[in-house]
Amino acid sequence: SQQGEEDPQALSIQEGENATMNCSYKTSINNLQWYRQNSGRGLVHLILIRSNEREKHSGRLRVTLDTSKKSSSLLITASRAADTASYFCARANFNKFYFGSGTKLNVKP
Amino acid sequence: DTEVTQTPKHLVMGMTNKKSLKCEQHMGHRAMYWYKQKAKKPPELMFVYSYEKLSINESVPSRFSPECPNSSLLNLHLHALQPEDSALYLCASSPGQGTLWGYTFGSGTRLTVV
Repeated sequence: SQQGEEDPQALSIQEGENATMNCSYKTSINNLQWYRQNSGRGLVHLILIRSNEREKHSGRLRVTLDTSKKSSSLLITASRAADTASYFCARANFNKFYFGSGTKLNVKP
Repeated sequence: DTEVTQTPKHLVMGMTNKKSLKCEQHMGHRAMYWYKQKAKKPPELMFVYSYEKLSINESVPSRFSPECPNSSLLNLHLHALQPEDSALYLCASSPGQGTLWGYTFGSGTRLTVV
């Protein structure tokens, strides 16, 4: 499968702590994107990192990509209760995304 | 306008009913997508429209029939569905077909088939 793995499946932290989620893939990608989904709602695009990039920042988000290890990580710094959601990485290959099973993040106030 | 609007938000239908889901965007995006998401699972691609033409059908059963009347509208016609078709149906759009851009998703239609 091109989907690879995401870990952890669930993560519970206190407000103010950092949250790190990991995403691995098995075949080559054009880019990798991270999306957030609040319970039962649509996905929100967070950040896109191209295959020739190693790190990207957007506000409190930091994404890294290691193509040699076929892995990416999403770091959310100084987490807030409003960050509670499921986070999906989407491995982009040609015309299609391959979504992983996601990481469910719970930020306790 | 930077949104994708989906209606209705919730839909309950019987297995003999015919219903339609609607999706609208006014961002000038030329690619639109239907995804299906079961509980605690990732979204699964169903259909892709590019420039109002069906580009990808991911072997979706014929009881799901997509339609793109114009560049801003995308419909999903439903007929003779099964209870296992109950899911969250998400519409998305992007400037062009492909994965070079982030997708803008609607908030979904929660479909229950009884």
